[in-house]
Amino acid sequence: NAGVTQTPKFRVLKTGQSMTLLCAQDMNHEYMYWYRQDPGMGLRLIHYSVGEGTTAKGEVPDGYNVSRLKKQNFLLGLESAAPSQTSVYFCASSYSMGTGIAEAFFGQGTRLTVV
Amino acid sequence: EDQVTQSPEALRLQEGESSSLNCSYTVSGLRGLFWYRQDPGKGPEFLFTLYSAGEEKEKERLKATLTKKESFLHITAPKPEDSATYLCAVQAINSGGSNYKLTFGKGTLLTVNP
Repeated sequence: NAGVTQTPKFRVLKTGQSMTLLCAQDMNHEYMYWYRQDPGMGLRLIHYSVGEGTTAKGEVPDGYNVSRLKKQNFLLGLESAAPSQTSVYFCASSYSMGTGIAEAFFGQGTRLTVV
Repeated sequence: EDQVTQSPEALRLQEGESSSLNCSYTVSGLRGLFWYRQDPGKGPEFLFTLYSAGEEKEKERLKATLTKKESFLHITAPKPEDSATYLCAVQAINSGGSNYKLTFGKGTLLTVNP
């Protein structure tokens, strides 16, 4: 089972460039998430989706956009990259359990450097 | 606002030296508390979910416990392969559709020396 797959694994961008990070999951999960992880800051939620066609802002959404056109895919876009967006980005997915969620499954991460 | 604090930030143990990691939380209502393990250069890997005070779960040398204010991850007779960052996260009972989010602590970096 592939689980959660992120593309690309590494990327270097120049300030002002744009890019899209792709997340794909094969577990038929309703919920998908984008986090960033920075030293000393832990995992912070950027955006999330509770189903196909829906998105919502997380803790640190500024400078990012997302789309969930298909249930299995969740895209994270940077329209004009800034050095402050240098980070490791993780995608995760989960499924409903009662009125909450079960455990989240994470991808291997994308290491993004903006110079 | 939901808050999760993990301590210590880093812990160095000798092989076989048991210890505990702490995760204290402040939420309006707890739906679930999750423990993850993260190896360098990899994504977090799920370990346990705890739902109510008094609950305990075990897996090999790890045991997670939960009270109304904190959770402990007990590591018994650790081995070098237990070295990793351990993350704690909470899912809160909130209005406004936020029942689907996890709030993470900053993690504890555990190093087990042979």
